[in-house]
Amino acid sequence: AQSVSQHNHHVILSEAASLELGCNYSYGGTVNLFWYVQYPGQHLQLLLKYFSGDPLVKGIKGFEAEFIKSKFSFNLRKPSVQWSDTAEYFCAVNSLGLDTGRRALTFGSGTRLQVQP
Amino acid sequence: DVKVTQSSRYLVKRTGEKVFLECVQDMDHENMFWYRQDPGLGLRLIYFSYDVKMKEKGDIPEGYSVSREKKERFSLILESASTNQTSMYLCASSISSGLGETQYFGPGTRLLVL
Repeated sequence: AQSVSQHNHHVILSEAASLELGCNYSYGGTVNLFWYVQYPGQHLQLLLKYFSGDPLVKGIKGFEAEFIKSKFSFNLRKPSVQWSDTAEYFCAVNSLGLDTGRRALTFGSGTRLQVQP
Repeated sequence: DVKVTQSSRYLVKRTGEKVFLECVQDMDHENMFWYRQDPGLGLRLIYFSYDVKMKEKGDIPEGYSVSREKKERFSLILESASTNQTSMYLCASSISSGLGETQYFGPGTRLLVL
């Protein structure tokens, strides 16, 4: 079965610091990759996604992620964080073909980001 | 905008009660999902449905059942609630495109079982 690892459980940064959150997955076949964000008291919402093509994906609010197939990774980055980026971030993977007909996502355990002003 | 609504934001139930969590989406999506979210564990899939009256077990279906009688509505049922089912329950929906569809989430129902 597919698994997703987020090694940073809680990250504390000052405003303007650079951010990189790690995400690794286990399946070696075709994957679709997602980062979701959950701001305090709000719905889980899509930050960015990778389906195919350019492995560097840009999302909302200045976030980007790079798919490195050889490393089974999809790390999230932002060059300069803001206090409003305080949230929980989830990496998710859809493994095409691994479970026939299954269209659900496998999520990582999440990373709680706290940005201090 | 896609809208996924869940019937309750907060619920308090007693052990042994039958609990119904309702989810409705307004975008004619084929796929609907139920997850539970627990600290340090992320989201875990309970059940999903890719068509009316169709359902498939996810990773943690034990103690739960689901119902999808209409395309827009997906219900999660706790047949006999237990304290270890205290959690945040998230419903999601997606269109069926075969390309790893984006899922849209509801606000969640925080369930406390006493």
